Amino acid sequence: EDQVTQSPEALRLQEGESSSLNCSYTVSGLRGLFWYRQDPGKGPEFLFTLYSAGEEKEKERLKATLTKKESFLHITAPKPEDSATYLCAVQAPSGNTPLVFGKGTRLSVIA
Amino acid sequence: NAGVTQTPKFRVLKTGQSMTLLCAQDMNHEYMYWYRQDPGMGLRLIHYSVGEGTTAKGEVPDGYNVSRLKKQNFLLGLESAAPSQTSVYFCASSRQGNGYTFGSGTRLTVV
Repeated sequence: EDQVTQSPEALRLQEGESSSLNCSYTVSGLRGLFWYRQDPGKGPEFLFTLYSAGEEKEKERLKATLTKKESFLHITAPKPEDSATYLCAVQAPSGNTPLVFGKGTRLSVIA
Repeated sequence: NAGVTQTPKFRVLKTGQSMTLLCAQDMNHEYMYWYRQDPGMGLRLIHYSVGEGTTAKGEVPDGYNVSRLKKQNFLLGLESAAPSQTSVYFCASSRQGNGYTFGSGTRLTVV
């Protein structure tokens, strides 16, 4: 069965303290890996899609990378407004398979 | 564009009551999904649809029914609500292979 594991469950950073969030997956033949941001009381907001090992995408202070078994979301010099839960999801290659989500990493950035 | 709109935003039901959650999207997306989100459990797929008139079961379909009579609408029904269905429900839509656009959620409490 496909499985997505995110670590750590929660992360507390000082403003400016760079770090990385991890998403490991066991899906056979990845079609796509997706990163979302979710603020309290809101729906997840799409950040990135990665399709193949070695691919990288950046948006402001965030950079997502992908290997054959995991993805990292690197946060460089975070600010308090980066505080949110970050969700990872994977899609298997067969047809219209819906995304399978990890449980998320809750990030707090302290000024 | 409104994107994905969910109604209602909040609801309290008594055990055994029924209700319908409405999801509407204005992006002409083929695919629509219903997820529930519970603390420590992440997003779990209830039902999904790959086109008008089609529906399929997800990971946790028991106690729920869905209908997709029009391309832009996806309804989630609870025939006889149970306390275990207390959750936040998210609707999402997408084109094939693309990231999902989520609604803002419906917070349901069953007492």
